Amino acid sequence: RKEVEQDPGPFNVPEGATVAFNCTYSNSASQSFFWYRQDCRKEPKLLMSVYSSGNEDGRFTAQLNRASQYISLLIRDSKLSDSATYLCVVTLNTGFQKLVFGTGTRLLVSP
Amino acid sequence: DAGVTQSPTHLIKTRGQQVTLRCSPKSGHDTVSWYQQALGQGPQFIFQYYEEEERQRGNFPDRFSGHQFPNYSSELNVNALLLGDSALYLCASSLDGPGQVNTEAFFGQGTRLTVV
Repeated sequence: RKEVEQDPGPFNVPEGATVAFNCTYSNSASQSFFWYRQDCRKEPKLLMSVYSSGNEDGRFTAQLNRASQYISLLIRDSKLSDSATYLCVVTLNTGFQKLVFGTGTRLLVSP
Repeated sequence: DAGVTQSPTHLIKTRGQQVTLRCSPKSGHDTVSWYQQALGQGPQFIFQYYEEEERQRGNFPDRFSGHQFPNYSSELNVNALLLGDSALYLCASSLDGPGQVNTEAFFGQGTRLTVV
């Protein structure tokens, strides 16, 4: 079983749509949680951290459910520029910053 | 601030050859991690360097080795290249010394290695 699992997609949505991505992780000792965004042939960039209380950054909302070992990302009012791969990332409680990535979910927003 | 820089950006090598990839971390960062990203996959952790020592390693063979220099820059070496080593190699820098907890990791643009 992969440490971090995501639906690879692609998710094809029209502009203005709301889209949600889910991710599950297998190690209950996972400590920190993130969503990264990766554009085609570019490096991953941090989109947002994910907290149990839920957090929002503009059109993006992230949620963590530790009991279910489940992370979500909601994008409202999708823009063409949101087209990218969204990587779910966890770190383990090792004291070191080792990022464990999911395969990524590809989003395509069309006009 | 130049951010994380990697060189070269692209590289083509033949099976059996050796390759060295380079990374300069973001100013003020002391930790460098290397990741391998195969096509259609998420990045996979190779190893991490802090204070010029490898302090954590992923599930990669000994053909993969590295080094960190006193100025915190780092090299990734891969010996006896295989076709399956073709991937995007990403360097990430962070500030992970004592007292630092889960600081943000910044990635370089990567080196795209093709083994033929």
